[in-house]
Amino acid sequence: NAGVMQNPRHLVRRRGQEARLRCSPMKGHSHVYWYRQLPEEGLKFMVYLQKENIIDESGMPKERFSAEFPKEGPSILRIQQVVRGDSAAYFCASSGGQPVGQPQHFGDGTRLSIL
Amino acid sequence: AQSVTQLGSHVSVSEGALVLLRCNYSSSVPPYLFWYVQYPNQGLQLLLKYTTGATLVKGINGFEAEFKKSETSFHLTKPSAHMSDAAEYFCAVTPDRGSTLGRLYFGRGTQLTVWP
Repeated sequence: NAGVMQNPRHLVRRRGQEARLRCSPMKGHSHVYWYRQLPEEGLKFMVYLQKENIIDESGMPKERFSAEFPKEGPSILRIQQVVRGDSAAYFCASSGGQPVGQPQHFGDGTRLSIL
Repeated sequence: AQSVTQLGSHVSVSEGALVLLRCNYSSSVPPYLFWYVQYPNQGLQLLLKYTTGATLVKGINGFEAEFKKSETSFHLTKPSAHMSDAAEYFCAVTPDRGSTLGRLYFGRGTQLTVWP
């Protein structure tokens, strides 16, 4: 499977726990984007990363959320001390080449539920 | 920042009828434009994109969209709906073309229902 891989597909956490969401981009892609989708809404940009660098985190909440894309391994979106409002679908997308204008390819998402 | 407006959160058509999903963007400088489709519990799949050149763009599954700069619109159409077209459709745009950031701005989506 050469597509964007996200895991887990479903994640259940209790309030106060940590959530880790993983994303492996398409082969050859070096640009990774994370988006959040709330019910009845479109996707909202969170963060844009290249290998070992955060390029744009203007959509990330100031607290509890962090992201990384290490030299080796998948990109990780980490949510500390989760709250009910964090329940959403989180999508990762990747692209190759110059970022602007290149289509982004999406994974199937991680659906996070907070009890 | 860009904003994207999709008129009509729900659109219903009969099988075989014309599909028209509307999208307007806010920037006076044309961005790059995309339409994505999302089936239940899946990610987004690219239908088509406009970057440069011909303003009528053809995509997968018989869909096409026309970029109209004067109307800041990028409406999605399909001449004849099929049951398998039932899904949610998202219009997305990039920042203006001078930006080096690739983030997408999405509309709120249009849920397409196709009646037999």
